[in-house]
Parts: sequence; structure tokens; C-alpha cells
Amino acid sequence: GENVEQHPSTLSVQEGDSAVIKCTYSDSASNYFPWYKQELGKRPQLIIDIRSNVGEKKDQRIAVTLNKTAKHFSLHITETQPEDSAVYFCAAPNDYKLSFGAGTTVTVRA
Amino acid sequence: EPEVTQTPSHQVTQMGQEVILRCVPISNHLYFYWYRQILGQKVEFLVSFYNNEISEKSEIFDDQFSVERPDGSNFTLKIRSTKLEDSAMYFCASSGGDPLTGELFFGEGSRLTVL
Repeated sequence: GENVEQHPSTLSVQEGDSAVIKCTYSDSASNYFPWYKQELGKRPQLIIDIRSNVGEKKDQRIAVTLNKTAKHFSLHITETQPEDSAVYFCAAPNDYKLSFGAGTTVTVRA
Repeated sequence: EPEVTQTPSHQVTQMGQEVILRCVPISNHLYFYWYRQILGQKVEFLVSFYNNEISEKSEIFDDQFSVERPDGSNFTLKIRSTKLEDSAMYFCASSGGDPLTGELFFGEGSRLTVL
């Protein structure tokens, strides 16, 4: 099955700085790569996704890059704000499910 | 905006008791899932369901677990005889397209506490 590795497990950044989270996947057939944000006690919510026909996608302060050859994809958050503090999960599809990474706890220091 | 709804939001049960967690997926969605998340850990896949049958299940989803879509709207997860290690947040999710291409929408979750 799909194995999704996510790094780092925790990330502390100064407000205004950038945050980068990286994930690798094992199934070369995967072609859809979402990122979910989970605030404390809440459900995971999709913040951005990318499909394998593009290498980069941007939505305001959030961007995702994909390297299919190396089988890794990354989440970039620029100009971080306190409300960006949360757990972020990458995911990749395999058969009939999405497999999630272990999560990255991002803390934005004021 | 349509959303996935789950009940109960929190259930406390004694070890060995049966629990049923209920979900109402988004109405035009075809793919349904249960995931669980032990406190502070990753979101783990339990089971996927399509066309009134299980598409895939994980090693966690043993004989104590079952899913059902008893009518056109509800999707339930039953744990027959709960164990302490079943304590977790259980998320129902649905998707309008197959999981290779479509966004997964999560419910708010049902927190299960087994004493």
C-alpha cells in the first residue's frame, strides 16, 4: 500500500517567516496530492491540492510543489500568521483510500 | 455549503459494550470512509465503502468492526465489543469522485472514550 512520509514532525517559525513541510510517497501511480489543516479539536480540512499534470500550484500565501520523478511534494506557507498554527497533513491516494502522513505541528511565534 | 454530519459528538462506553457511530455523508457523494485518530496521532484509514459494499479495509478494521448503509442517507460504523485501545476520534468522510482524484470531506468527528 501507499506509504507517505512527512517531515518535520514539528515546526516553529517566527510570524512573517516561511514554513515548508515535505512529504514523500511510494506509489508511482498516485496522481493527486492534497494537504489538510487540522486545528485543535477540529476536523481535517483541505487547504490545497495538486494533481500530477502540474508541478506547482499557489493560492495566496500557500503553495504546493510536486516532483513526480523523486516522488515528493511540499507545502509552502509564506508570511506566516498566528492563525496558521495547526497540524498539517499531507496525503496521497492508493487504491480506494487516501493515506495520510504523520502530520506536522506548526507553531507561529508572535 | 453541504457538509458531512456525525453523531454522537462524544460517546463514553464501558469496555466490551457495542457502539454505533452515525454519519450522514454529503447527499450526492458516492464514496464513504471511516478514519480514526488517536489523540495526537495521525489520521488512520479504517474502511472505504462504495456501491453498497466495502472497497478496502485496513488491518485495524477487524471482525469487531462493521459498516452499514441502512438507508439512502446514513452510513454507520459499529464496534461490537469495544476495547480500551478503541478510544479515539472517529471521522466519517465522503467524496463525490474516486479517491484518486477527488477531495475528501470530513465530518466533525465522534470522540469515543472506552473505560
